[in-house]
Amino acid sequence: LAKTTQPISMDSYEGQEVNITCSHNNIATNDYITWYQQFPSQGPRFIIQGYKTKVTNEVASLFIPADRKSSTLSLPRVSLSDTAVYYCLVGDLISGGYNKLIFGAGTRLAVHP
Amino acid sequence: SQTIHQWPATLVQPVGSPLSLECTVEGTSNPNLYWYRQAAGRGLQLLFYSVGIGQISSEVPQNLSASRPQDRQFILSSKKLLLSDSGFYLCACQRQTGQYFGPGTRLTVT
Repeated sequence: LAKTTQPISMDSYEGQEVNITCSHNNIATNDYITWYQQFPSQGPRFIIQGYKTKVTNEVASLFIPADRKSSTLSLPRVSLSDTAVYYCLVGDLISGGYNKLIFGAGTRLAVHP
Repeated sequence: SQTIHQWPATLVQPVGSPLSLECTVEGTSNPNLYWYRQAAGRGLQLLFYSVGIGQISSEVPQNLSASRPQDRQFILSSKKLLLSDSGFYLCACQRQTGQYFGPGTRLTVT
């Protein structure tokens, strides 16, 4: 299982772009990269997922270099409500069956006025 | 779409008392189900997973157990709670893009 490393915490201000980088040096061929967001006393919520290059949805972008050993979650123009813990995970979604995801400590993002 | 129900939302139990947390899933059949625990300020720890009725796998040794009596029902239990069992317990269901989490149960063991 690929281990991920991401910063423990980050600070930003409203309206700024936030980039959170995650390293996963041992990522396997079948592994996808998934990011979750968690607010206090709530379960994690899926944000975005990708395999390579760039993925964009209505809330974020995910940049994955060719070697796939890292990924960067980009949150455009953050607001106070984006204050949360962000988790980067890698896991096999191709082989099917049981999908074991390992959650690290995540990155605690604080957005200030 | 899938919906996960967990109850109770919060629970305060004395040390040595039994525990039963229930998770039910709607909108899917034969899901892979998971129990996680999150200690305060920490990441999620996978406790159990189940790929079908009566099929339970444990990830870490502990005094907790899990059961899956029905396809969309997953139960977390303990015969005697420890202080260290306090935490936020999350049930999750596997989806194509990863896992979908329920609202969680906050357990405080006193």
